Amino acid sequence: AQSVAQPEDQVNVAEGNPLTVKCTYSVSGNPYLFWYVQYPNRGLQFLLKYITGDNLVKGSYGFEAEFNKSQTSFHLKKPSALVSDSALYFCAVRDNTGGFKTIFGAGTRLFVKA
Amino acid sequence: DGGITQSPKYLFRKEGQNVTLSCEQNLNHDAMYWYRQDPGQGLRLIYYSQIVNDFQKGDIAEGYSVSREKKESFPLTVTSAQKNPTAFYLCASEGDRREKLFFGSGTQLSVL
Repeated sequence: AQSVAQPEDQVNVAEGNPLTVKCTYSVSGNPYLFWYVQYPNRGLQFLLKYITGDNLVKGSYGFEAEFNKSQTSFHLKKPSALVSDSALYFCAVRDNTGGFKTIFGAGTRLFVKA
Repeated sequence: DGGITQSPKYLFRKEGQNVTLSCEQNLNHDAMYWYRQDPGQGLRLIYYSQIVNDFQKGDIAEGYSVSREKKESFPLTVTSAQKNPTAFYLCASEGDRREKLFFGSGTQLSVL
């Protein structure tokens, strides 16, 4: 069965510092991995995805994520955090066997302090 | 302006009442989804539809019903059988390449 774990409920970082939001996954086949961001009272917005190819994926707003197959991880990173990055971040996984279900983690709230 | 429109933004349900949440998309997507979001639990799949006139139950379908009579519309009814309906409901759609979900702005449902 597919599953996603986001081990941190909240991540606090100072503006200008690098940030990491952690994600580990479990899927039977090769994974499709995603990061989405949610601002208050809004829907989710797509940030980036890994399907195949280079393990370092670049996405919107300066975010990137590194796929690590041996550790089954897909951590979200940004070299320099902005106050406007403060939001709720979701990691998601889908297997590539033709299933249509995207499984979401519980979410990690990122708080960037000025 | 392409996208997904959910309405209403806020909805209140009385005990024993059925309520319907609207979801419309003009992205020409075949696949549409309904998720429920509760604090600290992420998103859970209620129902999904891969094509017009067809839909499948997700992980928490009990107390909910859907229809897919038109490609652009996928309404969700929260029935009186759903005993804990207070949540934020998100509708999403996906194109043929299935590489990402597009989300609406959500409906917050509360019980009076």
